[in-house]
Amino acid sequence: GQNIDQPTEMTATEGAIVQINCTYQTSGFNGLFWYQQHAGEAPTFLSYNVLDGLEEKGRFSSFLSRSKGYSYLLLKELQMKDSASYLCAVRDSNYQLIWGAGTKLIIKP
Amino acid sequence: IAGITQAPTSQILAAGRRMTLRCTQDMRHNAMYWYRQDLGLGLRLIHYSNTAGTTGKGEVPDGYSVSRANTDDFPLTLASAVPSQTSVYFCASSTSGTSGPNEQFFGPGTRLTVL
Repeated sequence: GQNIDQPTEMTATEGAIVQINCTYQTSGFNGLFWYQQHAGEAPTFLSYNVLDGLEEKGRFSSFLSRSKGYSYLLLKELQMKDSASYLCAVRDSNYQLIWGAGTKLIIKP
Repeated sequence: IAGITQAPTSQILAAGRRMTLRCTQDMRHNAMYWYRQDLGLGLRLIHYSNTAGTTGKGEVPDGYSVSRANTDDFPLTLASAVPSQTSVYFCASSTSGTSGPNEQFFGPGTRLTVL
């Protein structure tokens, strides 16, 4: 079966750095996505990795290791507005997205 | 403003009733999707359409039907609603192809309660 695992909830302090991990087992791999979803809102696209390595975009970076079936999202200089759920998704061999349940990130002052 | 819209925003429905959730995008995206999101679960794909005139079944298609008469619209119909269809429904669209991210853009969602 196909499976995406990520922690249910994490807590971090404003101004700090947090790493959200995602492990996956899917039938085929055609890219990994991270989305942000604020409570009561729609998911919005953050990052895309298809090759191994780190992709940096401002305060957010995403890493991929295909051999390990592993990715992480790194958020630096945390702000209160970063309080949200972060969704990991893998595009499988049918080019459909398989989604993790999301990690709720709580930022404390 | 380019984007994707859904209607209604929320709805309370009696079990056994028929309901159509509407989704319209103006980004000229070929591909469109319907997901449901339930607490503690990831987004689950109900149906999708890679281009106007074609549709396909996702992970949880039972009890739902879709049509794609044109590029912009992708309605989702519940023929006879049941309480287990209580959920938040998201419509999404994307460009299609086998290269590049082709990331999905989501509508604001419809919160459906079936009693």
